[in-house]
Amino acid sequence: KNEVEQSPQNLTAQEGEFITINCSYSVGISALHWLQQHPGGGIVSLFMLSSGKKKHGRLIATINIQEKHSSLHITASHPRDSAVYICAAPLNYGGSQGNLIFGKGTKLSVKP
Amino acid sequence: KAGVTQTPRYLIKTRGQQVTLSCSPISGHRSVSWYQQTPGQGLQFLFEYFSETQRNKGNFPGRFSGRQFSNSRSEMNVSTLELGDSALYLCASSTGTGELFFGEGSRLTVL
Repeated sequence: KNEVEQSPQNLTAQEGEFITINCSYSVGISALHWLQQHPGGGIVSLFMLSSGKKKHGRLIATINIQEKHSSLHITASHPRDSAVYICAAPLNYGGSQGNLIFGKGTKLSVKP
Repeated sequence: KAGVTQTPRYLIKTRGQQVTLSCSPISGHRSVSWYQQTPGQGLQFLFEYFSETQRNKGNFPGRFSGRQFSNSRSEMNVSTLELGDSALYLCASSTGTGELFFGEGSRLTVL
């Protein structure tokens, strides 16, 4: 069965802390998405990565394709980082870009 | 550059009715995907369209359908609504590189 597992489900941190969210998947994939969803519902794509590491501001994403594991790190966390973070794996059937299976999300709350 | 636009943002229907949701992708994007998000099941893939052709369909009953027009705008339709269809419906557009751009979603409540 194709699965994407995330941990932890919920995470509370103090402002300034270093945060790590993990994602493991059972499917063979060529890339992985990290998404951010704020309470209003809209989703923002943070990263799409197929190997190594990507960095954008205080966010860093890493992936190990062989171990089928990815991590999202937030350095110097801030209350505005409070959101649900979701990893998603594309199944790539027939060249599809949008056929994704999603993790259940990690709800992050950063306290001032 | 305008983002992905979904309409309507909120709607309330009763069981048995049908609903049509619209998604206008970013200009130049030819791929549109639809997703359903519920508290119980999380995010699930509905279908993907590319150049007016359905490329893939998720595991949803035939009551869920969609189409894409020549200008890449897409609509999805749910017929004979059930209470369990209450959800946030999201669409995303893509250039084909794999990066996805999501709309704000249409929140459907079925009474």
